[in-house]
Amino acid sequence: DAGVIQSPRHEVTEMGQEVTLRCKPISGHNSLFWYRQTMMRGLELLIYFNNNVPIDDSGMPEDRFSAKMPNASFSTLKIQPSEPRDSAVYFCASSLQGQSQHFGDGTRLSIL
Amino acid sequence: AQKITQTQPGMFVQEKEAVTLDCTYDTSDQSYGLFWYKQPSSGEMIFLIYQGSYDEQNATEGRYSLNFQKARKSANLVISASQLGDSAMYFCAMRERGYSTLTFGKGTMLLVSP
Repeated sequence: DAGVIQSPRHEVTEMGQEVTLRCKPISGHNSLFWYRQTMMRGLELLIYFNNNVPIDDSGMPEDRFSAKMPNASFSTLKIQPSEPRDSAVYFCASSLQGQSQHFGDGTRLSIL
Repeated sequence: AQKITQTQPGMFVQEKEAVTLDCTYDTSDQSYGLFWYKQPSSGEMIFLIYQGSYDEQNATEGRYSLNFQKARKSANLVISASQLGDSAMYFCAMRERGYSTLTFGKGTMLLVSP
């Protein structure tokens, strides 16, 4: 069975550029989560969707961050413009509502 | 106050020994769930085990078991017969009633030596 698929695995770009991270959840899962992991702050929830609808985006750091889920099998997290402090590992996770979350392998983002 | 506290930044254990990773939590809910995840150096997050607050038995999954002490609000992970491949960061997390989201602790780095 395919797990949560994230792309790209690694992204290196210059500050000011737009960054788009992609996620394909496990088929049949109806909840999708975006997390950011840094040494300083650990794992932080950015936003989560239920049945493609954003439920809680209070973790999104600022307006430069946006997330969409146009259908049940795809979500994007966009940063525009990117800044060096956005460098982190970004995880996508999915679950059936109320069940354990399954994580993708993450995108390691470096903003120079 | 932190909702999930993992007091051990790092733990060392010899191969084949058992190890306990501590986790305490803070909630006023009666219904909640506790999770443990493993993050090896390759970076992925792997779900290990789940304990519901109403579960009467401690959860077990292979070499993993959860020592759930509700009155103390602790949910320690026990790994029996440690293997070199168990070396990783381990995160405790909680989901409270009415929420789909998880709150994670800061993690414990486990190193298993031969």
